[in-house]
Amino acid sequence: GDSVTQMEGPVTLSEEAFLTINCTYTATGYPSLFWYVQYPGEGLQLLLKATKADDKGSNKGFEATYRKETTSFHLEKGSVQVSDSAVYFCALSGRSARQLTFGSGTQLTVLP
Amino acid sequence: NAGVTQTPKFRVLKTGQSMTLLCAQDMNHEYMYWYRQDPGMGLRLIHYSVGEGTTAKGEVPDGYNVSRLKKQNFLLGLESAAPSQTSVYFCASSSPTVAANNEQFFGPGTRLTVL
Repeated sequence: GDSVTQMEGPVTLSEEAFLTINCTYTATGYPSLFWYVQYPGEGLQLLLKATKADDKGSNKGFEATYRKETTSFHLEKGSVQVSDSAVYFCALSGRSARQLTFGSGTQLTVLP
Repeated sequence: NAGVTQTPKFRVLKTGQSMTLLCAQDMNHEYMYWYRQDPGMGLRLIHYSVGEGTTAKGEVPDGYNVSRLKKQNFLLGLESAAPSQTSVYFCASSSPTVAANNEQFFGPGTRLTVL
């Protein structure tokens, strides 16, 4: 079945540091890929998405590129802010197209 | 638009008690979902619905029941709560259109503790 493996946290960075959170997946066919963010005490919000190979999703300075050859969708940001502190989830929408499969989440803390 | 709302926000139950969690969405979405979130395990799908009057099992359906009597509402029931059901529960909805790309919209969550 479909699965998502995410870099384990927690991750602690200083403000303005470079961020990478690794995500790899296993799925049949051509899934859509997502990054969701969960701020403290809130539900998940879509951060960015990519629907086909080589697509780059971007939002709020975050980027991720759909790499089919390495089955990866790593999240990057060039300069993190304290306000980026949250839990980040990688997810895929696979063959059923009705369900999302989530990774375990990565807690990011950015220190001033 | 309120988006996806969940009631209640917090609840404490004793083992064996029953309760119903309510999810409502005002985006006219066909699909709705119930997830549970546990530390280190991400979100796991409990049940989902692809339209009014339909429900289907997800990854972890045991101990839960659901109903979708109206398109905008999706109820999650616990008939006899167990401590293993202590979790944060999230409802989500989505549109089945191609343009939507399966993006799901989430509610704020319900934190349930079973003693």
